[in-house]
Amino acid sequence: TQLLEQSPQFLSIQEGENLTVYCNSSSVFSSLQWYRQEPGEGPVLLVTVVTGGEVKKLKRLTFQFGDARKDSSLHITAAQPGDTGLYLCAGVGSNDYKLSFGAGTTVTVRA
Amino acid sequence: DVKVTQSSRYLVKRTGEKVFLECVQDMDHENMFWYRQDPGLGLRLIYFSYDVKMKEKGDIPEGYSVSREKKERFSLILESASTNQTSMYLCASSFTGEHYNEQFFGPGTRLTVL
Repeated sequence: TQLLEQSPQFLSIQEGENLTVYCNSSSVFSSLQWYRQEPGEGPVLLVTVVTGGEVKKLKRLTFQFGDARKDSSLHITAAQPGDTGLYLCAGVGSNDYKLSFGAGTTVTVRA
Repeated sequence: DVKVTQSSRYLVKRTGEKVFLECVQDMDHENMFWYRQDPGLGLRLIYFSYDVKMKEKGDIPEGYSVSREKKERFSLILESASTNQTSMYLCASSFTGEHYNEQFFGPGTRLTVL
């Protein structure tokens, strides 16, 4: 299993502030996914990044895949209470089809 | 609306009991997965299946078995539940092919073993 490390583990910010979550590994991934999980529910896919250096935007969320395809970041602009949740990154290995998940970042946006 | 459903949201069992967790998907996905989720550890893969009657061990298969008799249904079995199997169990499914193994998850079953 390829390890993905997420940082920070917890993040609490005020509504309107910006935040960035990081996902790092020493392994190369063929693609990387970001999921959000709300309490009592399963994770929901937000985005998949495939190409090194790729940037994808989803409204106020910006996702970046590192040039070497070993790391990724999620940036939220002007966070809202509805952004509260557990953010998980997951990588698809170069040699197999399985997903390796990071431990997640718990984001709390205070109104 | 695509859906993955799990038989129970909450389950309480006693040590030594046999436990069945059921998962059904309506998306005609080839692949199905069982994970457990524990605080600080993320999602860990228990077993997965690429096709009916096929199964592969994940990273933590000890103490678990699975069954996939129909394409839409994937069952996780705890032959003799132990307290260290108290956890959130998540089922997921995905297409084979150029979909980067994007997974659709069920709502989870929170299992407590006393």
